[in-house]
Amino acid sequence: GAVVSQHPSWVICKSGTSVKIECRSLDFQATTMFWYRQFPKQSLMLMATSNEGSKATYEQGVEKDKFLINHASLTLSTLTVTSAHPEDSSFYICSGVPSGHYEQYFGPGTRLTVT
Amino acid sequence: AQSVTQLDSQVPVFEEAPVELRCNYSSSVSVYLFWYVQYPNQGLQLLLKYLSGSTLVKGINGFEAEFNKSQTSFHLRKPSVHISDTAEYFCAMSSGGYQKVTFGIGTKLQVIP
Repeated sequence: GAVVSQHPSWVICKSGTSVKIECRSLDFQATTMFWYRQFPKQSLMLMATSNEGSKATYEQGVEKDKFLINHASLTLSTLTVTSAHPEDSSFYICSGVPSGHYEQYFGPGTRLTVT
Repeated sequence: AQSVTQLDSQVPVFEEAPVELRCNYSSSVSVYLFWYVQYPNQGLQLLLKYLSGSTLVKGINGFEAEFNKSQTSFHLRKPSVHISDTAEYFCAMSSGGYQKVTFGIGTKLQVIP
């Protein structure tokens, strides 16, 4: 099956600093990747759609200047949380869609804690 | 507007008993439907998908789901659950041929020994 990795799996940072999360498709090329945020005991909230070689498409209410997305290659998308605050603490999950497929394959998630 | 409704937030069931997790969707165009499972502190794993064809879809770990267009439902079933099936289950939908997915709120399946 299609495998997606995320790095780091867990990160703690101080308020005001920036954190970068990597999402890689290991055995397929993904022209489109998605970034989600999940609060405890809740469903996934789509933050943005990341397209290789072009700007990401952000969902309503998501600050594009705060959550910077770069889809530099067909196997790598990064999410940078800039000037992080405690309310940004969450579980961030990415997914990719192999060419010719409709189902998304998810990474294992990154737990971000901002102190 | 497209939406996915999971009617039960929690479902307790005894080990080796059958289970059904309910999912209804709303869409004005054709849909693709998915069930995902999430274990604690992990990402989502695809259980099964309906794209077209047979309305009864078989997935991994002994799960199956039936697409019912008239009732706009895609319920997930397993004839005999195991302790290891304890997890959160998400129903999801994409419509109009787009890859973007709408998720339900999730159903927590608790298997009781």
